Amino acid sequence: NAGVTQTPKFRILKIGQSMTLQCTQDMNHNYMYWYRQDPGMGLKLIYYSVGAGITDKGEVPNGYNVSRSTTEDFPLRLELAAPSQTSVYFCASSTKQVLGNIQYFGAGTRLSVL
Amino acid sequence: DAKTTQPTSMDCAEGRAANLPCNHSTISGNEYVYWYRQIHSQGPQYIIHGLKNNETNEMASLIITEDRKSSTLILPHATLRDTAVYYCIVRVWAGTASKLTFGTGTRLQVTL
Repeated sequence: NAGVTQTPKFRILKIGQSMTLQCTQDMNHNYMYWYRQDPGMGLKLIYYSVGAGITDKGEVPNGYNVSRSTTEDFPLRLELAAPSQTSVYFCASSTKQVLGNIQYFGAGTRLSVL
Repeated sequence: DAKTTQPTSMDCAEGRAANLPCNHSTISGNEYVYWYRQIHSQGPQYIIHGLKNNETNEMASLIITEDRKSSTLILPHATLRDTAVYYCIVRVWAGTASKLTFGTGTRLQVTL
């Protein structure tokens, strides 16, 4: 039972480098999300998607880009990495249920920008 | 979405019930109360949710007051593995996707 899988688990970037955080889910969920969590803080929504080809900004989208070409995959792209992007990144997915939706999270990617 | 207030931290002895409170005095009629937890920097894990009736599942019970301005998550027999940060979230189904707003939660420490 894979659920939501994120890769890599850890990464160190130099300032100005770029990278893509991968997220894939095998639950056939329409909705997918990217969050970041800074030390001692709650999660903040970066981007989300309601289906293939449809994405929208969350509360902290600056410095990130996303795409959703398939139902399963929702990669997060960091261009020109900055120290402020040092954080733990979580991907999540959900499906609409009668009483609202419940999000399933991946294990996270711990990113340091030095 | 309504704002929630939770204590910063709580302790509980192993085997005892852990009662985690949450205030959401500005909750509106169509907002649900959701609880998630996050164990040691893992991804958050859904626990339970409810609208106005008390709810119970294999993980926990959720007690919502009659005026819906507060709720309590109950872990009936806490174990060391329940040590985590617990988030109380109140939200509506907004637009085409639901956006969970995570605050700083309650850090529950279960001790021997």
